[in-house]
Amino acid sequence: AQSVAQPEDQVNVAEGNPLTVKCTYSVSGNPYLFWYVQYPNRGLQFLLKYITGDNLVKGSYGFEAEFNKSQTSFHLKKPSALVSDSALYFCAVRDQAGTALIFGKGTTLSVSS
Amino acid sequence: DVKVTQSSRYLVKRTGEKVFLECVQDMDHENMFWYRQDPGLGLRLIYFSYDVKMKEKGDIPEGYSVSREKKERFSLILESASTNQTSMYLCASTPAQTTGSEQYFGPGTRLTVT
Repeated sequence: AQSVAQPEDQVNVAEGNPLTVKCTYSVSGNPYLFWYVQYPNRGLQFLLKYITGDNLVKGSYGFEAEFNKSQTSFHLKKPSALVSDSALYFCAVRDQAGTALIFGKGTTLSVSS
Repeated sequence: DVKVTQSSRYLVKRTGEKVFLECVQDMDHENMFWYRQDPGLGLRLIYFSYDVKMKEKGDIPEGYSVSREKKERFSLILESASTNQTSMYLCASTPAQTTGSEQYFGPGTRLTVT
């Protein structure tokens, strides 16, 4: 069965510091991996995805993510955090035969000034 | 840009009422989804539809039904609302070839059942 784990409920980082939000997955076959962001009382906004190719994927708002097949991870990163990055982040996975995405439980990112 | 709209941002209903949540997408997507979002539980799939009049149960279909009479519209129905259905409900859509495609989400409906 497919699953996604986001091991940290909350990540705190100071503005200007690098940030990492962790995600690990379990899926049969090749995974399709996604990151979404949610601001308060809003829907989910797509940030980036890994389908195939380069393990480092670049997305919106300066975010990037690194696919690591051996560690079954897809961590979200940003070199320099902004206060406006504070939000709820979701990792999601789909296998090759799947239709719906399977989501992690979310990680709240808090960036302090 | 894909646009997914939901009929209400906030909704308050009484226990036992029949509740309709409407979702419309304007990009001719074949697949549509209903999730509920609860703190600490992430998003859980209730139902999805891959074509008009076609539906599949997700992980938590109990207490819900769906209707898809037109391609652009996917409705979630709470036959008899209960307090444990108080939640944020999110609709999403994707084109038929989903493997590489992200889901596009609506703004969500925050439902309170009293």
